[in-house]
Amino acid sequence: EVQLVESGGGLVQPGGSLRLSCTASGFIFSSYAMSWVRQAPGKGLEWVSGLSYGGTSTYYADSVKGRFTISRDNSKDTLYLQMNSLRAEDTAVYFCAKDPAGYPSLFEYWGQGTRVTVSS
Amino acid sequence: QLVLTQSPSASASLGASVKLTCTLSSGHTTYPIAWHQQQPTRGPRYLMKVNSDGSHSKGDGIPDRFSGSSSGAEHYLTISSLQSEDEADYYCQTWGTGVWVFGGGTKLTVL
Repeated sequence: EVQLVESGGGLVQPGGSLRLSCTASGFIFSSYAMSWVRQAPGKGLEWVSGLSYGGTSTYYADSVKGRFTISRDNSKDTLYLQMNSLRAEDTAVYFCAKDPAGYPSLFEYWGQGTRVTVSS
Repeated sequence: QLVLTQSPSASASLGASVKLTCTLSSGHTTYPIAWHQQQPTRGPRYLMKVNSDGSHSKGDGIPDRFSGSSSGAEHYLTISSLQSEDEADYYCQTWGTGVWVFGGGTKLTVL
């Protein structure tokens, strides 16, 4: 059974940093692309960032480019999202998602999310 | 610009059928889309991928009550024999070169 468990969320001040983790199980992590998707309170889903299976191709939404960094450790079956220079508008639940292929396309499995609140 | 458009809300009675629509922007009508369901307070769940020819492939464990189709720029998610647990937000999603896009979502109410 595919499982994705996010962690690392919390309350952070504007301008601060946070690193999210997504621990995967139930599949060969190193063979699949992974992504982060967020959902602001009361809003819809917004794609944030994606990463190819080997980690060599990265993709970012314009809203986070230059501030967020996606990475993966295939030896630990873990996906990361380093978030710097956080803004109030980054407040959201962050989901990690697994792709059915090696490069990001659609989101086949989802985690339950971790909440990030940016506030002073 | 790659955009997906969904109606904000829909409703149907318990046991009935409902057809949700997702419209691709001009110039992108051959793109495949994915449908995702998000029940209240839960993470999203992948339902299926629908290709421009109307063929679709479902995610693991998705009941036969859920089906997909398409016609030109419009993609459809049909849910038959509606159950109370089908009350949820439904999002369509697609992707292009370096961009991944969600529709605004349709909130389905089961009456």
